[in-house]
Amino acid sequence: AQTVTQSQPEMSVQEAETVTLSCTYDTSESDYYLFWYKQPPSRQMILVIRQEAYKQQNATENRFSVNFQKAAKSFSLKISDSQLGDAAMYFCAYRGLSGGSNYKLTFGKGTLLTVNP
Amino acid sequence: DTAVSQTPKYLVTQMGNDKSIKCEQNLGHDTMYWYKQDSKKFLKIMFSYNNKELIINETVPNRFSPKSPDKAHLNLHINSLELGDSAVYFCASSQVAVRQFFGPGTRLTVL
Repeated sequence: AQTVTQSQPEMSVQEAETVTLSCTYDTSESDYYLFWYKQPPSRQMILVIRQEAYKQQNATENRFSVNFQKAAKSFSLKISDSQLGDAAMYFCAYRGLSGGSNYKLTFGKGTLLTVNP
Repeated sequence: DTAVSQTPKYLVTQMGNDKSIKCEQNLGHDTMYWYKQDSKKFLKIMFSYNNKELIINETVPNRFSPKSPDKAHLNLHINSLELGDSAVYFCASSQVAVRQFFGPGTRLTVL
């Protein structure tokens, strides 16, 4: 079974600074998807960024980028120029490529990010 | 227009009661999901339907029963509610493609 581990229960960053959230995962599959979701206090689940394992290039979305290391099974999220609105719980998630039970998302336990003004 | 909606958003009830949470998506997706987020914020899949067929049924008590009357709806019925059922329940949907769209969540409190 796939597992996702986020080793940092909490992180803090100063406004305008850069922060990196860590995520490791375990899988026997060669192709899969990885995600970072953001959950602000409103509890809405918001997709931040997505990475396909078959793509070597790291995904970027504006101030958000990932460092995907397939061999190490590592998928970290870098937030540049942190803003107060980035404060939230961040979840790393894994999804298999094929259908059926692989459609589900397997989540890490989350990292609570605080942004200090 | 709301893509994935859930009703109610908040549900407070007594132990032993039966309750339902409804989910609707207007995205034309063929797969829908129920996730449970516990008090420690841990999110875990419960069920998934694809074209009204159950494809994922994780280890969930029999008191939980999903029902999908059509592709756009996936309801969750819970019998004999227990204190441990208190959580936030999220509905989500996706097409064969990857991205899952989440509803706003239903906070269930069992007293």
